[in-house]
Amino acid sequence: KQEVTQIPAALSVPEGENLVLNCSFTDSAIYNLQWFRQDPGKGLTSLLLIQSSQREQTSGRLNASLDKSSGRSTLYIAASQPGDSATYLCAVEVRGGGSEKLVFGKGTKLTVNP
Amino acid sequence: DAGITQSPRHKVTETGTPVTLRCHQTENHRYMYWYRQDPGHGLRLIHYSYGVKDTDKGEVSDGYSVSRSKTEDFLLTLESATSSQTSVYFCAISERQIGVTEAFFGQGTRLTVV
Repeated sequence: KQEVTQIPAALSVPEGENLVLNCSFTDSAIYNLQWFRQDPGKGLTSLLLIQSSQREQTSGRLNASLDKSSGRSTLYIAASQPGDSATYLCAVEVRGGGSEKLVFGKGTKLTVNP
Repeated sequence: DAGITQSPRHKVTETGTPVTLRCHQTENHRYMYWYRQDPGHGLRLIHYSYGVKDTDKGEVSDGYSVSRSKTEDFLLTLESATSSQTSVYFCAISERQIGVTEAFFGQGTRLTVV
């Protein structure tokens, strides 16, 4: 059974700091890995998707990397801003029996202090 | 934003009553999912659908049923609501395009069972 772990569960940093969020998964047989952002009381917004054949993806100040063999992904946020405060979730796509499903970590709650 | 609408957005119901949550999409995506999100547990898959009238159970399906009679609608029913089903429910959709599957989420339904 695929399990996804995100460490730390919460992180507080001063504005302007570069930071890394971690995601690990137990089964390397994944197809994609997706990073989401969730603001309080809101739904999930897709940030980055990394295909299993890729090593990294970038969008603005965000960079996500994937190392399938070690079962790890990181989300790097450069020059953090208070508006980056949110919960960040990673999810891996697993397939089997004709179905496709996402397995989620519990998220990292990020607070960026002005 | 992906065209996903969940209704209702908020609902309070009494223990033992039936409740139906609706997810409507305008993207014509094949896959639709129902998740629940609870503190300490993260997002957990309840049921999913891989086509009209094709559904399957997720990891926390007990007490829930689903139906998909049209591509655009996926209904989640709590036959007899219990307090343990108080949660925030999210619908998601996905479609595999050029080998890549990206998921998009609705805004959520906050259900309180009293």
